[in-house]
Amino acid sequence: NAGVTQTPKFQVLKTGQSMTLQCAQDMNHEYMSWYRQDPGMGLRLIHYSVGAGITDQGEVPNGYNVSRSTTEDFPLRLLSAAPSQTSVYFCASSTIGMGEKLFFGSGTQLSVL
Amino acid sequence: GIQVEQSPPDLILQEGANSTLRCNFSDSVNNLQWFHQNPWGQLINLFYIPSGTKQNGRLSATTVATERYSLLYISSSQTTDSGVYFCAVTGTASKLTFGTGTRLQVTL
Repeated sequence: NAGVTQTPKFQVLKTGQSMTLQCAQDMNHEYMSWYRQDPGMGLRLIHYSVGAGITDQGEVPNGYNVSRSTTEDFPLRLLSAAPSQTSVYFCASSTIGMGEKLFFGSGTQLSVL
Repeated sequence: GIQVEQSPPDLILQEGANSTLRCNFSDSVNNLQWFHQNPWGQLINLFYIPSGTKQNGRLSATTVATERYSLLYISSSQTTDSGVYFCAVTGTASKLTFGTGTRLQVTL
């Protein structure tokens, strides 16, 4: 099984550009989420979804948009990139209910110049 | 929201030594997980442990939910144990909050 797949692995953007980070999972997990990781700050939740058609905001949602049209896919859109969005982005998924261990993708390193 | 504090922030061990990492949280939780981030950035789930004790090889974890802390034990450490260890908790469904991690370096 592929698990959680993120693309691209690296991306450089100019301020004001838009882009979409892709995330797909093949474990039939209901729950999917996006985190950003900055030095010294651990991982912070951007957006999450508990099923197709359902999304909600996390701790740091501003400047990001998500949608969940299928169980497998949960893309993250940067509407107008800013240098403050330079970070490493992780997608994660799990089942919902007892014992829902979270599984992470390999990450996307994003630089905004 | 729930606050998660991990200690120590940094730890250097010689290969073969044992260590204990601590995670304190500010409120009742129904989900607590430990993760290891290796030097290449990959995040691996070690334990799902909202209460009680679990063991997996040289690693074990104990969560005392009534006292709001969890401990991760690493015995006979190896260089491959190096990286950052994160504790993450949630008090309501789905919003997992991460601590800032313990950075472990195991030397020969």
